[in-house]
Amino acid sequence: QVQLVQSGAEVKNPGASVRVSCKASGYTFTAYFIHWVRRAPGQGLEWMGWINPNTGVTDYAQKFQGGVTMTRDTSISTAYMELSRLTSDDTAVYYCARDWGIETDTGIIDYWGPGTLVTVSS
Amino acid sequence: DIQMTQSPSSLSASVGDRVTITCRASQGISNSLAWFQQKPGKAPKSLIYAASRLQRGVPSKFSGSGSGTEFTLTISSLQPEDFATYYCQQYKSYPLTFGGGTKVEIK
Repeated sequence: QVQLVQSGAEVKNPGASVRVSCKASGYTFTAYFIHWVRRAPGQGLEWMGWINPNTGVTDYAQKFQGGVTMTRDTSISTAYMELSRLTSDDTAVYYCARDWGIETDTGIIDYWGPGTLVTVSS
Repeated sequence: DIQMTQSPSSLSASVGDRVTITCRASQGISNSLAWFQQKPGKAPKSLIYAASRLQRGVPSKFSGSGSGTEFTLTISSLQPEDFATYYCQQYKSYPLTFGGGTKVEIK
């Protein structure tokens, strides 16, 4: 069965960077785009961007351009999301999620990871 | 960006009730609308895409309808496992955007 397993909770100082991993299993990793979505406390869900695990091509939401980097390691079926220059506003649960389309981004999400809590605090 | 507005933000219902949640888009999105369920501390679960198509394994008590700017999610007979927060999401254009959620609580 499709599973997305994310790395554990992180606590970071303001100005630092954080990298969250998302290990996929149960399907061909390179065939399905991975989205990253976050939810800050008391806020709604916010789409950050996607990565094509086959090519490494990414598309970031304008808000996150220059601050987020999405990468992947196909040898271990893992996607990564790195956020730099953290501020308290980046305190959130970060989710990876699989796109429903095969080798294309449809924007339809069919599977979600459990989420990774990132806390930014001095 | 397309704004998604859900109503109500919360509701109380009893087991067996029929529940309807509304989602409105700030501009027409055809049928490019999905619904998710999330329980506290758990990953979201995808329920519906293309406004009315059930994701694999989702029971038929869930149904969706609508097109353009107004959409609904209906749970035909609420069961204890259905008490959760429900979100809509548009995928007509990037950035993907989500509704603020509707929390379904036990009356």
